Amino acid sequence: GESVGLHLPTLSVQEGDNSIINCAYSNSASDYFIWYKQESGKGPQFIIDIRSNMDKRQGQRVTVLLNKTVKHLSLQIAATQPGDSAVYFCAERLGKLIFGTGTRLQVFP
Amino acid sequence: EAGVVQSPRYKIIEKKQPVAFWCNPISGHNTLYWYLQNLGQGPELLIRYENEEAVDDSQLPKDRFSAERLKGVDSTLKIQPAELGDSAVYLCASSPGEKGGNEQFFGPGTRLTVL
Repeated sequence: GESVGLHLPTLSVQEGDNSIINCAYSNSASDYFIWYKQESGKGPQFIIDIRSNMDKRQGQRVTVLLNKTVKHLSLQIAATQPGDSAVYFCAERLGKLIFGTGTRLQVFP
Repeated sequence: EAGVVQSPRYKIIEKKQPVAFWCNPISGHNTLYWYLQNLGQGPELLIRYENEEAVDDSQLPKDRFSAERLKGVDSTLKIQPAELGDSAVYLCASSPGEKGGNEQFFGPGTRLTVL
């Protein structure tokens, strides 16, 4: 229900520290994974993706790690900034995109 | 380049009333998606269009929801009649299609409140 949805897992980090957001996905047949960032009042915004034949991919300040053995995905953000504060969703592709629940990242000075 | 445009941004209606949402995808994007997002949860796909054809509407509650993309560009999503449980954010997204890439670009959404 709505009250459950309000209790998002939250990660609080200090500005400048590194952040690690974790995600467990459900289907071993998923071939593609994406991390999205969603700020309040906005739609999800693509951050980085990774195909199932890779285990690591780096972007600007972000790195995605994929562990297919345990069906785990992580997003690492280096030198976290206040502008990184948002809800982060992982998504797996099994025909269509299936989104996880989301993690709220809070950055404090 | 303009992003995905949705209107209205907010809509408040009483239960049993009809409501419609409009989406204009990014120019040239053949694939259009409608998602439902409940508070604190990830988006859930309702329907996907390839040009004007609905290729995946398996999650669309067809007793009350309908969608159309008549000319393969903009799209409308309708609920009739709305129920209390329909209160959510309705997101539209578009992507170039297989040859142009599968990255989905989301609009800001329409927040629906059913009283």
